[in-house]
Amino acid sequence: KQEVTQIPAALSVPEGENLVLNCSFTDSAIYNLQWFRQDPGKGLTSLLLIQSSQREQTSGRLNASLDKSSGRSTLYIAASQPGDSATYLCAVIGTGTASKLTFGTGTRLQVTL
Amino acid sequence: EPEVTQTPSHQVTQMGQEVILRCVPISNHLYFYWYRQILGQKVEFLVSFYNNEISEKSEIFDDQFSVERPDGSNFTLKIRSTKLEDSAMYFCASSDTGVLFEKLFFGSGTQLSVL
Repeated sequence: KQEVTQIPAALSVPEGENLVLNCSFTDSAIYNLQWFRQDPGKGLTSLLLIQSSQREQTSGRLNASLDKSSGRSTLYIAASQPGDSATYLCAVIGTGTASKLTFGTGTRLQVTL
Repeated sequence: EPEVTQTPSHQVTQMGQEVILRCVPISNHLYFYWYRQILGQKVEFLVSFYNNEISEKSEIFDDQFSVERPDGSNFTLKIRSTKLEDSAMYFCASSDTGVLFEKLFFGSGTQLSVL
């Protein structure tokens, strides 16, 4: 059974700092991995999707990497801003399914002024 | 930008009652999903729906639950005889070509409270 874990559970950084969020998964047989952002009381917004054959994806200040063989992904946020404060979730879709995302525990990020 | 809309945003019901959670997916999307998140826990997959039938469901999605696409725009989740443990945020999601190939678009959720 696929298990997805995210470290740290919470993180507080001053504005402008670069930061890295970590995601690990137990079964490396995945189709892809997505990073989501969740704001309090709101839905999930997909930030980046990395296919299993890819090593990284970039969108603006965000860069996600994937090391499938070791079961790890990182989300790098450059020059953090207070507006980046949210919970970040990673999710994988395993090769045994065509539609089920398995989510991680999330990292709650606070960017302070 | 097109978005997935869910109604109501909050629903309070008595244990044993039936509830219907409604979703309007993005108009050209063909794949539809329900997920839920119990307070403080992970987001969990419930069911996926394509071509007017369930394509996959989790062990959570038992006979108490059903989904329907009653017309060309709505996608509903029905929970019969609600239990206290059904209290959660329920998220609808949709995609055009399926989650293997593209991002999933989520609605803002319906917070269901069973009393």
